[in-house]
Amino acid sequence: DARVTQTPRHKVTEMGQEVTMRCQPILGHNTVFWYRQTMMQGLELLAYFRNRAPLDDSGMPKDRFSAEMPDATLATLKIQPSEPRDSAVYFCASGITGAGYNSPLHFGNGTRLTVT
Amino acid sequence: EDKVVQSPLSLVVHEGDTVTLNCSYEVTNFRSLLWYKQEKKAPTFLFMLTSSGIEKKSGRLSSILDKKELFSILNITATQTGDSAVYLCAVQKTSYDKVIFGPGTSLSVIP
Repeated sequence: DARVTQTPRHKVTEMGQEVTMRCQPILGHNTVFWYRQTMMQGLELLAYFRNRAPLDDSGMPKDRFSAEMPDATLATLKIQPSEPRDSAVYFCASGITGAGYNSPLHFGNGTRLTVT
Repeated sequence: EDKVVQSPLSLVVHEGDTVTLNCSYEVTNFRSLLWYKQEKKAPTFLFMLTSSGIEKKSGRLSSILDKKELFSILNITATQTGDSAVYLCAVQKTSYDKVIFGPGTSLSVIP
């Protein structure tokens, strides 16, 4: 069964430290989304890529967050420096999008980040 | 600004009841509406709706879209405790296929 893989599953870190989250999309999917989920805000879209090119990262705090796709099998989300308010579950989702395509997103199991 | 609204935000029902969850949206360049179920971990896909008036069905779950009135409903009949979850509605736009989510409806089914 094809699935989106996220690592690590859990991360506890101290304020000011760098955090890197990784996502392996489903093979053949051309679009990768990063979402952050909290009780207060629900699922917020941070950034997404199609064919490794960033399409929209307007939901991401630019001063501390960065998202990249070094290759088609890996997407990364980095926070530097981390702050307690970044504590949340970060989800990666992949799908096939573009002209003529319309597939649902498939989610990974998320990275639960706690910043103390 | 694009918006997806769900109601109610939480709901408690007894096993065997039928529930209707609502999703309304205000987005430019609408492409499709999606429903997901989220238990403890990742949201799992339920339905994708692109055309008005055509019901999608899977077992005890069904959903329909009204593109004129900009809303969708998700029905669950004969609810079971395993239906307890957060149900998320999302809208996909045609512009760059952006997908935005509503706040979710937390459903608790008690025996």
